[in-house]
Amino acid sequence: DTAVSQTPKYLVTQMGNDKSIKCEQNLGHDTMYWYKQDSKKFLKIMFSYNNKELIINETVPNRFSPKSPDKAHLNLHINSLELGDSAVYFCASSRSPDSALLYEQYFGPGTRLTVT
Amino acid sequence: GQNIDQPTEMTATEGAIVQINCTYQTSGFNGLFWYQQHAGEAPTFLSYNVLDGLEEKGRFSSFLSRSKGYSYLLLKELQMKDSASYLCAVIDSNYQLIWGAGTKLIIKP
Repeated sequence: DTAVSQTPKYLVTQMGNDKSIKCEQNLGHDTMYWYKQDSKKFLKIMFSYNNKELIINETVPNRFSPKSPDKAHLNLHINSLELGDSAVYFCASSRSPDSALLYEQYFGPGTRLTVT
Repeated sequence: GQNIDQPTEMTATEGAIVQINCTYQTSGFNGLFWYQQHAGEAPTFLSYNVLDGLEEKGRFSSFLSRSKGYSYLLLKELQMKDSASYLCAVIDSNYQLIWGAGTKLIIKP
């Protein structure tokens, strides 16, 4: 069984469009994350979210918004896509932190977004 | 600011040993992770250090010196499948995970 899943795996779209990427985890984790990994392979956190708190990386444009229908899902919605949004987007999850080790994150397979 | 430094790329020979270094400057410290990421795949957990010293797990070991802000990942008996990027990540005092840019390890026969 897949622990963290994302759909779609590949997404090709045109500038100006709005798109969503879905993420689901079946690990019973309380916290979920979205990362962007660009062509230089640097993994940059965009959001972390649990049922209590949304933490937003202040460098993320407000065209990006996380939406969580329930604890097992954290979707990423992107408005008015730009060329620079092309990257691989990873979803991840972890247990709520009672100790730092619980920050071990489990990653989804990634969604490769190409904006043309 | 918060900073994690790793070499961009390293090359090693199959069967040999390689050490990947990571230095960090963060606001507080609550642990350090090493992750492995194969090309086109998601990162996967390798190790966690919070106390000084060496943690050994099979062919992989991770070392931490908190006073020096330094860690290394040691890979022994290298195999071709170890070709991947290795990411160092530190948990700061706010329990935020700060990621390094990763070290691409190339294994040659």
